[in-house]
Amino acid sequence: ETGVTQTPRHLVMGMTNKKSLKCEQHLGHNAMYWYKQSAKKPLELMFVYSLEERVENNSVPSRFSPECPNSSHLFLHLHTLQPEDSALYLCASSPDRVGYNEQFFGPGTRLTVL
Amino acid sequence: GIQVEQSPPDLILQEGANSTLRCNFSDSVNNLQWFHQNPWGQLINLFYIPSGTKQNGRLSATTVATERYSLLYISSSQTTDSGVYFCAVELGTSYDKVIFGPGTSLSVIP
Repeated sequence: ETGVTQTPRHLVMGMTNKKSLKCEQHLGHNAMYWYKQSAKKPLELMFVYSLEERVENNSVPSRFSPECPNSSHLFLHLHTLQPEDSALYLCASSPDRVGYNEQFFGPGTRLTVL
Repeated sequence: GIQVEQSPPDLILQEGANSTLRCNFSDSVNNLQWFHQNPWGQLINLFYIPSGTKQNGRLSATTVATERYSLLYISSSQTTDSGVYFCAVELGTSYDKVIFGPGTSLSVIP
């Protein structure tokens, strides 16, 4: 247990569906992250929130829409995805303190787009 | 941009053997982490080590920031050590500069 939970753990969706991934951290951290891990590729940073404000968006397609209602919860809303979006989506959190920003990861959501 | 390389890409060990995994990075970094990703995809924190040496049981890590590399030592390996080991570096204070290496895939056989 890392203190970061993600639901659902597995998701299969069609290209016309709309779904949401949820992440919750119980560590009192200020920053939260979404990463994408495709087969045979390094983890790619998608979005970063610090104190509920988005601070980074790494040129992610608009079919991925993040939401951070408070510092403990992070969502990733999905719509009209493509088969190449199938991947493991990982959420992480960190203290976001100057000089200390260790990241802790959730178990991930394995997404398959048909 | 910064390059993060890990070696070897794949490693097979007999149970009980020792190993050293390496992470090279091409620019100065503020932070460096080592993770173990288990077969179910969970990333487990091993070390947060921007410089110096740390030890935790059978694992230890050393980062030489001035020479831009970090080493992860695994001693007396066990089958549960199997998985992928990633290093991740953070540059400056910009969040978009969290860069993961490609990983070392480790298989420990009985």
